[in-house]
Amino acid sequence: DAKTTQPPSMDCAEGRAANLPCNHSTISGNEYVYWYRQIHSQGPQYIIHGLKNNETNEMASLIITEDRKSSTLILPHATLRDTAVYYCIGKRRGSGYALNFGKGTSLLVTP
Amino acid sequence: GAGVSQTPSNKVTEKGKYVELRCDPISGHTALYWYRQSLGQGPEFLIYFQGTGAADDSGLPNDRFFAVRPEGSVSTLKIQRTERGDSAVYLCASSLTRQEGAGELFFGEGSRLTVL
Repeated sequence: DAKTTQPPSMDCAEGRAANLPCNHSTISGNEYVYWYRQIHSQGPQYIIHGLKNNETNEMASLIITEDRKSSTLILPHATLRDTAVYYCIGKRRGSGYALNFGKGTSLLVTP
Repeated sequence: GAGVSQTPSNKVTEKGKYVELRCDPISGHTALYWYRQSLGQGPEFLIYFQGTGAADDSGLPNDRFFAVRPEGSVSTLKIQRTERGDSAVYLCASSLTRQEGAGELFFGEGSRLTVL
């Protein structure tokens, strides 16, 4: 599975869009990009995943560059409850069952 | 319940003691995972069950750690001769899919283990 790189921390003002970047320059063609988040003292929560097309759901949008070497998770209107650690994970089908969470990005949404 | 349930939520034990942590997955989920999270780190994979069998136990750190899922639903993580380094939050997750690395995992809130 590709190694992913994320900034350790970011700030965002409440009501603004939060754009969380992730680099995965060694990603392979059949490798998905997953995003999870973990609010303090809770278990991780699945957000979204994608392969090469942009994806959107009720929580967020995932924008994957054409070369697939990086992606951005977008929370369109961040709220205080979005303060959490966000994990970007590369996962190739057939490479086993473990998800490598890494350290993620700690997002602080401020009033 | 609607989500993954883990008990106890907190466990304090002494070095050398035996500990059991329980996970009750979402009804109908055949896949079950155990992860461990140390302070300031992301969760680390321990073991994966598909039904009653452990399909991947490559993340278990040593033979003091063992997990079972005898009826394909509830799972118990067992730690023998606990050490201070075992202190962590132990997370359980379940999912519908049996495909490797695919699908959405639903996590419980974890069991915080402290070994004195």
